[in-house]
Amino acid sequence: AQTVTQSQPEMSVQEAETVTLSCTYDTSESDYYLFWYKQPPSRQMILVIRQEAYKQQNATENRFSVNFQKAAKSFSLKISDSQLGDAAMYFCAYRILNYGGSQGNLIFGKGTKLSVKP
Amino acid sequence: ETGVTQSPTHLIKTRGQQVTLRCSSQSGHNTVSWYQQALGQGPQFIFQYYREEENGRGNFPPRFSGLQFPNYSSELNVNALELDDSALYLCASQGPDGSLFYGYTFGSGTRLTVV
Repeated sequence: AQTVTQSQPEMSVQEAETVTLSCTYDTSESDYYLFWYKQPPSRQMILVIRQEAYKQQNATENRFSVNFQKAAKSFSLKISDSQLGDAAMYFCAYRILNYGGSQGNLIFGKGTKLSVKP
Repeated sequence: ETGVTQSPTHLIKTRGQQVTLRCSSQSGHNTVSWYQQALGQGPQFIFQYYREEENGRGNFPPRFSGLQFPNYSSELNVNALELDDSALYLCASQGPDGSLFYGYTFGSGTRLTVV
């Protein structure tokens, strides 16, 4: 069974600084997708960034980037120039690549609570 | 503005009762999934519906059931509520032209408290 582990329950960063959130996963599959979701107090899960396992190039979305190490099954999120609005729970998620009519569900880690200090 | 609307936002029920949670997806989103998020945990997959049929289920007992309707709305029903069912229930949907890569659009959830 696939599992996702986030080893940092809480992290703190100074505004404008850089922070890295860790995520490791376990799978025997070779094709899959990885995601980072942000959950602010409003509770809605917001997609931050995504990575296809067959792509070696790390994904980047503005201030957010990932360090994807497939052999090590590691998928960390780096937030540059942190802003007060980045404060939230961050969840790492894995999704198997399904073929056919069904679409694979997401497997989430337990999350990391990020605080941003002004 | 979210394309997924869930109701109610909060709900308090008594142990042993039954509850129905509702989700309205945007037009064309024919895949809907439900997740349970206990306090301090990540969301856990309950089940998924595709074109009104269940096509995937997580490790949840049969008293968790669902329905998906042609108008892109769906329901999560939980019978014989237990205290451990207290959680945030999230609905997520995806359209037919969205690949697996694009993930889901989530609603803001229903906070269920069982007393």
